[in-house]
Amino acid sequence: KQEVTQIPAALSVPEGENLVLNCSFTDSAIYNLQWFRQDPGKGLTSLLLIQSSQREQTSGRLNASLDKSSGRSTLYIAASQPGDSATYLCAVRRTGGFKTIFGAGTRLFVKA
Amino acid sequence: EAQVTQNPRYLITVTGKKLTVTCSQNMNHEYMSWYRQDPGLGLRQIYYSMNVEVTDKGDVPEGYKVSRKEKRNFPLILESPSPNQTSLYFCASSLSGGVGAAANQPQHFGDGTRLSIL
Repeated sequence: KQEVTQIPAALSVPEGENLVLNCSFTDSAIYNLQWFRQDPGKGLTSLLLIQSSQREQTSGRLNASLDKSSGRSTLYIAASQPGDSATYLCAVRRTGGFKTIFGAGTRLFVKA
Repeated sequence: EAQVTQNPRYLITVTGKKLTVTCSQNMNHEYMSWYRQDPGLGLRQIYYSMNVEVTDKGDVPEGYKVSRKEKRNFPLILESPSPNQTSLYFCASSLSGGVGAAANQPQHFGDGTRLSIL
């Protein structure tokens, strides 16, 4: 059974710091992995999607990597800003049925 | 504007009173899905639909029903709600749930429905 784990559960950093959020999954039979941002009381906003055949994706200050063999993905945020404060979730879409499994998220707080 | 719309946004009701949460998308997406989000458990998939008249169970389907009669709509039905179904519910859609490039498109989420069953 696929399990997705995100560490740490919460993170507080000063503004301007570069940071890495981690996502691990137990079954490498995935179709893709997606990173989301969730603001309090809001829905999820898609940040990056990495296909199973890709190693990384970049969008602005965000870079996501995928290592299927080790079951790990990281989300790198450069030069963090207070507006980056939110909960970050990763989700894997499984092959053979296309269910989506989410991690519990990392709550990020960037101090001004 | 491309969006996924859920209604209602908030609902307080009582045990056993049937309810429906509607979900509609205007992006001509084939794939639609329902999730529930609970503290400490994250988002869990309830049901998903690969296309019209094609639905399948996610990880927590018990107590829920869905239908997909039209491409744009994917309602979630609670026939006899119970307090353990109190949760925050999200509907999502993406271009395709099948294989190929169209399937590697991101999921778009609605703003959520907060449901309280007393």
